[in-house]
Amino acid sequence: AQTVTQSQPEMSVQEAETVTLSCTYDTSESDYYLFWYKQPPSRQMILVIRQEAYKQQNATENRFSVNFQKAAKSFSLKISDSQLGDAAMYFCAYIPPRGNTGKLIFGQGTTLQVKP
Amino acid sequence: GAVVSQHPSWVICKSGTSVKIECRSLDFQATTMFWYRQFPKQSLMLMATSNEGSKATYEQGVEKDKFLINHASLTLSTLTVTSAHPEDSSFYICSASPPGRSITDTQYFGPGTRLTVL
Repeated sequence: AQTVTQSQPEMSVQEAETVTLSCTYDTSESDYYLFWYKQPPSRQMILVIRQEAYKQQNATENRFSVNFQKAAKSFSLKISDSQLGDAAMYFCAYIPPRGNTGKLIFGQGTTLQVKP
Repeated sequence: GAVVSQHPSWVICKSGTSVKIECRSLDFQATTMFWYRQFPKQSLMLMATSNEGSKATYEQGVEKDKFLINHASLTLSTLTVTSAHPEDSSFYICSASPPGRSITDTQYFGPGTRLTVL
């Protein structure tokens, strides 16, 4: 079964510093999508970044970048120049490609605290 | 951008009553919507896939007679929690994909509905 694991329940970072959130997943598929979602206190899920497994280049979105290691099945999120607004729960997620069902499989989440 | 709304945002009901939660895609049509459940400080668990014009597909362990899903139009899916009990208290979230985007690469989430059953 496909699983997504986030081993860091909580992380903290000083404002303006850099933090990396870890995510590993288990799948036998070769093509799939990986995501990082942010859930602030409002509980609204916001897509942070998306990675297609067949692309070797790591995705980046402004201050957010990923380190995608396909062989190791690792997908970490790096947040640079952390801001107070980055404080939220972050979820790593995976979509299996077969059947194109769109079913997202989420990790347990990592709560990020940003200290001023 | 694509917007998904949910109504109500918060509902309190008595044990034994039924509650309906609406999920609407405001500026796009969605043939497929998803319903998730989230307990405090926990992850999202997929409950069911809502398909316009057909029966919903429920995940293993989700009682389809308890959580009734209706996707009667391309912009509206409803989740009805029947005979609600305190253990049904949770945060319910829906998601949908806009046309032109694959459901495997883009989903937009509603703001969620907090259900409290007394």
